[in-house]
Amino acid sequence: DQQVKQNSPSLSVQEGRISILNCDYTNSMFDYFLWYKKYPAEGPTFLISISSIKDKNEDGRFTVFLNKSAKHLSLHIVPSQPGDSAVYFCAASVQGGSEKLVFGKGTKLTVNP
Amino acid sequence: ETGVTQTPRHLVMGMTNKKSLKCEQHLGHNAMYWYKQSAKKPLELMFVYNFKEQTENNSVPSRFSPECPNSSHLFLHLHTLQPEDSALYLCASSQVKQGNQPQHFGDGTRLSIL
Repeated sequence: DQQVKQNSPSLSVQEGRISILNCDYTNSMFDYFLWYKKYPAEGPTFLISISSIKDKNEDGRFTVFLNKSAKHLSLHIVPSQPGDSAVYFCAASVQGGSEKLVFGKGTKLTVNP
Repeated sequence: ETGVTQTPRHLVMGMTNKKSLKCEQHLGHNAMYWYKQSAKKPLELMFVYNFKEQTENNSVPSRFSPECPNSSHLFLHLHTLQPEDSALYLCASSQVKQGNQPQHFGDGTRLSIL
């Protein structure tokens, strides 16, 4: 049973608009959440993270929101750029044990010029 | 340059071959990991090494044998693999300490079993 779910396999947005990538989780013990970006033929690159004591974390064009009651997090990219086109993975870990990350299947984002 | 280097990038081997995947991290981290990514599946954690000691074996078949001689190097020895073992194998490292730290990944080895 998947503990971290990314229900949209793909998303297409126009350059300059907002991209919203969603992630749901089932394990209420998860307390650390991360987003990774992956280009073809490269490994995942860490983007941004959030601890369960926060509900928002922002880094430049990237903002992650956490809704613990809904067991839902989202990544907002604004404005979206063609170079943001990649597969985005959501990941979570339990009790601060960041050694044991559980990943979602990923969402492929395409930003059209 | 990710700070985590994996070799080879591509490997084709028969089911009776023995080969090894290598990972080296230049980030000064104290934990290293092997992950497997199969088509249309999420990344699956295989092994965790913390200060060179294996702390996690996620029910991985014995035909996969990890080795961590020091905190900068990690190997995955492969023997008598099956076609379903064809996948992307990713190495990662992190600094394990109080508080959460992200893992940093290499670019992976694309393994094909004939």
